[in-house]
Amino acid sequence: KQEVTQIPAALSVPEGENLVLNCSFTDSAIYNLQWFRQDPGKGLTSLLLIQSSQREQTSGRLNASLDKSSGRSTLYIAASQPGDSATYLCAVTPNYGQNFVFGPGTRLSVLP
Amino acid sequence: KAGVTQTPRYLIKTRGQQVTLSCSPISGHRSVSWYQQTPGQGLQFLFEYFSETQRNKGNFPGRFSGRQFSNSRSEMNVSTLELGDSALYLCASSVDTDALGAFFGQGTRLTVV
Repeated sequence: KQEVTQIPAALSVPEGENLVLNCSFTDSAIYNLQWFRQDPGKGLTSLLLIQSSQREQTSGRLNASLDKSSGRSTLYIAASQPGDSATYLCAVTPNYGQNFVFGPGTRLSVLP
Repeated sequence: KAGVTQTPRYLIKTRGQQVTLSCSPISGHRSVSWYQQTPGQGLQFLFEYFSETQRNKGNFPGRFSGRQFSNSRSEMNVSTLELGDSALYLCASSVDTDALGAFFGQGTRLTVV
């Protein structure tokens, strides 16, 4: 059974810092991995999608890497801003389909 | 372009009742999946529909069921509600089942009393 964990569970940083969020999954046979953010009481917003054949994806200040063999992904946020405060979720799809297995999330607070 | 629309946004039901939640995907999206989010269990996959057929199913009891219509709109039904069914129910849509960019709705907050 696929399990996804995320470290740290919570993170508080001053504005401007670069930070790294970690995601681990137990079964390396994934179809793809996606990072989302969730603001309180709201749905999820997709940030980056990495196909199983890819090693990384970048969007603006965000960069996500994937190491399937070791079951790890990292989300790098450069020059953090207060607007980045949210819960960040990592999710993998075990097969062809939209059936995500989610991690518990990292709650990020960026202080002005 | 309109996003994923879930109705209703909030719902209060009594234990033992049944409830139906609705999800309208983004135009052109044929895959709809449903998730339950609770503080204790996090986000858990319920089921996925593609072209009116259930393609994947999570580990939830048979009280949870769904369907998809020819216009790709989807409904989720929960029968014989239990207190533990109180949760935020989210649906997501994508163009196809290969999960190339899943877009989530705002969710339906269900409270069972």
